[in-house]
Amino acid sequence: EAGVAQSPRYKIIEKRQSVAFWCNPISGHATLYWYQQILGQGPKLLIQFQNNGVVDDSQLPKDRFSAERLKGVDSTLKIQPAKLEDSAVYLCASSLETSGGGSEQFFGPGTRLTVL
Amino acid sequence: DAKTTQPPSMDCAEGRAANLPCNHSTISGNEYVYWYRQIHSQGPQYIIHGLKNNETNEMASLIITEDRKSSTLILPHATLRDTAVYYCIVRVHQAGTALIFGKGTTLSVSS
Repeated sequence: EAGVAQSPRYKIIEKRQSVAFWCNPISGHATLYWYQQILGQGPKLLIQFQNNGVVDDSQLPKDRFSAERLKGVDSTLKIQPAKLEDSAVYLCASSLETSGGGSEQFFGPGTRLTVL
Repeated sequence: DAKTTQPPSMDCAEGRAANLPCNHSTISGNEYVYWYRQIHSQGPQYIIHGLKNNETNEMASLIITEDRKSSTLILPHATLRDTAVYYCIVRVHQAGTALIFGKGTTLSVSS
C-alpha cells in the first residue's frame, strides 16, 4: 500500500514570497491533516479535512495560510506571503476514520520550508 | 496544550529494553494513551495505543498504571534503528480527533 505522498521535500524562499505544498493521502482515507513542526518541537495541527470539508482550522493563520482539498482527495497548503517564522517542516497525515472510533494517522515525509 | 509529561531524553544500549515513561495525571475516562515515534527526517509513525489494559504488538508493549495517571512504553530489544523522538499523546478514541503533540522523549540507542 502506498503511503502519504508530499511534494516538494524541500523549499527555500525569501520572505514575502509565496509557496505551495501538495499532499496525496492514502487511497480511501477520508480525513486529512496538515501539521506544522518547528525545529525542536512536536507537530502542531494547522487544519483538518473530512472528505473535502474543513473540520478544524482554528490554528491556521488565515491572513497568510490557506488550504483546500478538492474532490476529497489531494490537498494543497499555501502560504502567501511567507514570514521568517514560517520556517518549519509541514507534515500531511491521513486516516481512515471508521465509525467505531479513531484510527491511526499515517504521516508523509514532510516538506522542509526555509524562509530567508 | 499537550496533556502529557515526558523526560526530554533517554539513553539505551543496543539489545537492552528501553522503558519510556509518560505522566498523564489529568487523563479523562474516555481518553486513550497513544504512542508515536519520529525518526530523523521522517514523519511520525504510530506505535501502539491503549485505554487501561496492557497492550502488546509487534513493535512494543504499553503498560498503563491502574489509576491511569501514567504509562510506560517498552521496546523489548532496542536496536540502533529505534533511535527517535517518542511522543506520548492522550486522545479521545473518536473518529476525526487530531493529535496534540508535546516535545516527546529523544531516545538514543547506542552499540
